[in-house]
Amino acid sequence: SQTIHQWPATLVQPVGSPLSLECTVEGTSNPNLYWYRQAAGRGLQLLFYSVGIGQISSEVPQNLSASRPQDRQFILSSKKLLLSDSGFYLCAWSVQRQGAYTFGSGTRLTVV
Amino acid sequence: DAKTTQPNSMESNEEEPVHLPCNHSTISGTDYIHWYRQLPSQGPEYVIHGLTSNVNNRMASLAIAEDRKSSTLILHRATLRDAAVYYCILERSNYKLTFGKGTLLTVNP
Repeated sequence: SQTIHQWPATLVQPVGSPLSLECTVEGTSNPNLYWYRQAAGRGLQLLFYSVGIGQISSEVPQNLSASRPQDRQFILSSKKLLLSDSGFYLCAWSVQRQGAYTFGSGTRLTVV
Repeated sequence: DAKTTQPNSMESNEEEPVHLPCNHSTISGTDYIHWYRQLPSQGPEYVIHGLTSNVNNRMASLAIAEDRKSSTLILHRATLRDAAVYYCILERSNYKLTFGKGTLLTVNP
């Protein structure tokens, strides 16, 4: 069966520090991968998506970047965190046009 | 991205059916209609999706209007565990879901 792993569950980082969040998917090949962010009391905002290794599409210009070094690995990074980067970060995967998008359990990031 | 319109909130009583409406008047012929729900501090959970025909699964039913400009998610017997934010989303051929504000469903015991 397919599973998605996202870690860490919570993270507190100082302003200006780097960030690396990792997401891995098991049990499927060539998934589409997504990073979403949900600020407190807000809806989900699509940040990046990838349809293949090394292929990254950015939805919103910002302080973050994404990479897909392997087929089932998706990484969200920042060189210097801002206070406005705080939020709930969710990774998701799908098999194109075949059904459900599956979300990870999320990382709650607080930048202090 | 294709826009959907949902009521901000709805209320239901436990063990009664719930009909959650969604308008998507700009839908194109190849757009899939997806429904997800989200509990506080959790990632969204897939509920159901469809293209043209009505769909049923163990969680819910999806009724799609003949012109596809609207759809309704039907929870046949609401439970307290169904209280969540429900999102209606159009999946276009660019393989991504763009979430709106959703409907906050409150289930009264």
